[in-house]
Amino acid sequence: DQQVKQNSPSLSVQEGRISILNCDYTNSMFDYFLWYKKYPAEGPTFLISISSIKDKNEDGRFTVFLNKSAKHLSLHIVPSQPGDSAVYFCAASLIQGAQKLVFGQGTRLTINP
Amino acid sequence: DVKVTQSSRYLVKRTGEKVFLECVQDMDHENMFWYRQDPGLGLRLIYFSYDVKMKEKGDIPEGYSVSREKKERFSLILESASTNQTSMYLCASSLASGRNQPQHFGDGTRLSIL
Repeated sequence: DQQVKQNSPSLSVQEGRISILNCDYTNSMFDYFLWYKKYPAEGPTFLISISSIKDKNEDGRFTVFLNKSAKHLSLHIVPSQPGDSAVYFCAASLIQGAQKLVFGQGTRLTINP
Repeated sequence: DVKVTQSSRYLVKRTGEKVFLECVQDMDHENMFWYRQDPGLGLRLIYFSYDVKMKEKGDIPEGYSVSREKKERFSLILESASTNQTSMYLCASSLASGRNQPQHFGDGTRLSIL
C-alpha cells in the first residue's frame, strides 16, 4: 500500500527551463511534506519542506506547492541547472510521535545542456 | 552542519552471517532511523528510535533488529543475513524538539549478501 507515490520514474528537461516534479499521497492525516535530492553514492539531502497549513513555500530556485484537496504536491525548479540532475524523493510525515517519514519511489531528473 | 556517519560504504557478507551496520551522528539528535533503498520502491523504514534504549518497528522490520545504547549511535543488526537483504541501507537522524524537523542522512552502506 503505497501512501506516497511519484508516478514518473524519470524526467528530462532542457537547461534553463522549468522542472516540475509531482507527488501524490493518499493519507489525509499527513501534515508535513518534504523533498529530498539524492546523488549517486551519497545519502539524500534535504531540499525544501512545506507544512499542511500552507500551499506554497519558496527557497531560491525551488518552490513547493501543496494542494490538499487533491492530495498532491509538486516541486518546481527554475531555472534548471545541470547540477540539478539527481533523484528526487518526496516524503510525508504523520501527525504523531517521532516524525516518521513515508517516501515516494523517486523521480530521476536529467537536465540536458 | 549535521554529520551522520555510517561505518562502511560497501560490505559483502554471506548468507546466514550476523551483520552489524553502525551509524553515528554528532548533533545530539534524539531521533534516529534506519531505511533501505531499493530501485522502484524508494526508501522504506526498517526501525527507528526516539531515545536511548527505545526502539520502534518501521514498515519492514522482519529479519532485522536494532540497538541504541548511546544517544549518538544506532546499530542495525541482520540476525541471519539472506540474499533478499542485499540493498542500500541509509541511516538518518533528526531533532525531536518542536515539530517538522527534517531528517539528515548518512551516505549509505551498500550491502551485498552472497
